[in-house]
Amino acid sequence: DTGVSQDPRHKITKRGQNVTFRCDPISEHNRLYWYRQTLGQGPEFLTYFQNEAQLEKSRLLSDRFSAERPKGSFSTLEIQRTEQGDSAMYLCASSLRTGGEAEAFFGQGTRLTVV
Amino acid sequence: AQSVTQLGSHVSVSEGALVLLRCNYSSSVPPYLFWYVQYPNQGLQLLLKYTTGATLVKGINGFEAEFKKSETSFHLTKPSAHMSDAAEYFCAVSDYNTGNQFYFGTGTSLTVIP
Repeated sequence: DTGVSQDPRHKITKRGQNVTFRCDPISEHNRLYWYRQTLGQGPEFLTYFQNEAQLEKSRLLSDRFSAERPKGSFSTLEIQRTEQGDSAMYLCASSLRTGGEAEAFFGQGTRLTVV
Repeated sequence: AQSVTQLGSHVSVSEGALVLLRCNYSSSVPPYLFWYVQYPNQGLQLLLKYTTGATLVKGINGFEAEFKKSETSFHLTKPSAHMSDAAEYFCAVSDYNTGNQFYFGTGTSLTVIP
């Protein structure tokens, strides 16, 4: 168990540019989540995958955001035409969905700064 | 709909004193409850969780929490604070029906005074 890995850890981009983040979950975990956390707030749910299927998206996830999980392994989160309001910590988590009580294991996050 | 309220965005305690961080939840079905800790520029680490069974749950680093259904609470405690406990603490709720996501509170920042 190597834990949830996120890359990059930090990203600075100019407004209007596209960015992509990667998440590698714990290998046997079938659920993968993306959360966004701004300063002084708790994580806010963005989307989640059950294997390769994206089953739910938050209304926070505008059309500029897209997430994929090909083959049910790693996942990518892309933000197009970044805005300053996108500056936040993007957290990925994974869990093993059994009876629903499994905890989520979080990665260290990708901190995005849009200048 | 589920939600979590953490009373007190900042808590300060002296080293060796009792730590009490408050969490109240709202859920229409039996909840699963979690406490996570976050150190600066890090992800979240699970401290403990309640799913079913014993309402007093013990976690890592000497923390424990008690599920009180009548009070819809899941407060986190530690008998004696250590300097290394200084961090941000988040309470979260999930349930069997909507276990697809976790709802987090806004967090409590714990400061430990030497």
